[in-house]
Amino acid sequence: NAGVMQNPRHLVRRRGQEARLRCSPMKGHSHVYWYRQLPEEGLKFMVYLQKENIIDESGMPKERFSAEFPKEGPSILRIQQVVRGDSAAYFCASSLQGALTDTQYFGPGTRLTVL
Amino acid sequence: EDKVVQSPLSLVVHEGDTVTLNCSYEVTNFRSLLWYKQEKKAPTFLFMLTSSGIEKKSGRLSSILDKKELSSILNITATQTGDSAIYLCAGSDGSSNTGKLIFGQGTTLQVKP
Repeated sequence: NAGVMQNPRHLVRRRGQEARLRCSPMKGHSHVYWYRQLPEEGLKFMVYLQKENIIDESGMPKERFSAEFPKEGPSILRIQQVVRGDSAAYFCASSLQGALTDTQYFGPGTRLTVL
Repeated sequence: EDKVVQSPLSLVVHEGDTVTLNCSYEVTNFRSLLWYKQEKKAPTFLFMLTSSGIEKKSGRLSSILDKKELSSILNITATQTGDSAIYLCAGSDGSSNTGKLIFGQGTTLQVKP
């Protein structure tokens, strides 16, 4: 019974490159959340998706960041033209129903380093 | 603006000690309070609290929510070195009906042998 999977676990990019982070939710879960953890800070909500729909992207930076959760395959968080300030740990969580009292289970995170 | 504040930010104890971690919240349309333990990888779920005054227990860990004081505590008794981790508290924001979590900064606990 695999938990939430994220890959890659570590990603190094140079300024201006693109970063693609993948998240496969727990089996049976169709609700995905992305959070970012900057150094010395707590996790900050970025976006909430259901299959083929972005439900809440209020925490996403307005430019360069996008997310999708296609009908088939993992959820993708895409960061275009990365800058040093994008260096952080990006965590994905999934829940069964997306209900307000539904538990979110986290993946191991992707640690992005921008050189 | 919604916020969750944890205290202390860090704590060093010896094995066998009892610790109490604090969490206070100001979250729009608050629905639930969650505790996670974060070691080197995924934050792992500990508790979800929705009702005030009802203690939840799991082994040596217990937690309770006080909606009047907008706070929660996490207790760990007879601490072990394996309890060393960052403990995260989060409030569930019901305002957009999405259940997004507002996290505190975390409390870093170090348990010495």
